[in-house]
Amino acid sequence: GEQVEQRPPHLSVREGDSAFITCTYTDPNSYYFFWYKQEPGASLQLLMKVFSSTEINEGQGFTVLLNKKDKRLSLNLTAAHPGDSAAYFCAVRSGSFNKLTFGAGTRLAVCP
Amino acid sequence: DTTVKQNPRYKLARVGKPVNLICSQTMNHDTMYWYQKKPNQAPKLLLFYYDKILNREADTFEKFQSSRPNNSFCSLYIGSAGLEYSAMYLCASSRAGTNTEVFFGKGTRLTVV
Repeated sequence: GEQVEQRPPHLSVREGDSAFITCTYTDPNSYYFFWYKQEPGASLQLLMKVFSSTEINEGQGFTVLLNKKDKRLSLNLTAAHPGDSAAYFCAVRSGSFNKLTFGAGTRLAVCP
Repeated sequence: DTTVKQNPRYKLARVGKPVNLICSQTMNHDTMYWYQKKPNQAPKLLLFYYDKILNREADTFEKFQSSRPNNSFCSLYIGSAGLEYSAMYLCASSRAGTNTEVFFGKGTRLTVV
């Protein structure tokens, strides 16, 4: 089945710096890709989903890049602020029923 | 209301005793899921209900049971808890389809002693 590797497991950056998180997956038939953010004590919240061969999606303060050729998904927080401190998880959907395979998460700390 | 509610938030159980975790959603989602998350590991899908049909993942097939008495509620049942069941259990729901969002609850932290 699908396997997802996420790096790094922990990341600490200064406010205003970029934070870059990457996931690689194994199943070439995977077709939907997600980034979730989880703040302490809260549920996983969807940041963005992407679906295309190669796609750059921009959200509020972050960019998501999908490279299906390399089976790589990345999240770049372009100018991190303390409110971005959280755990971030990538997830990959393959098959039916919205079954998601997650990465192990990145704990991001943004220091003032 | 797009929340998935889980009760309780924290659960303490004795080894060998049963555990029942509860999840509810009011979004009329046809699919409800249970994930297990251990520290520094990825959330792992245990099972899911599509409508009234239960689908269990192959490697957790015998360890967990579930019931869905109606569209809104879903439970996760452990018949005899072992120390290895200590984890966060995440419930989620979604509507079937290729471009639908999966909504997650805050989780129940189970500690088995």
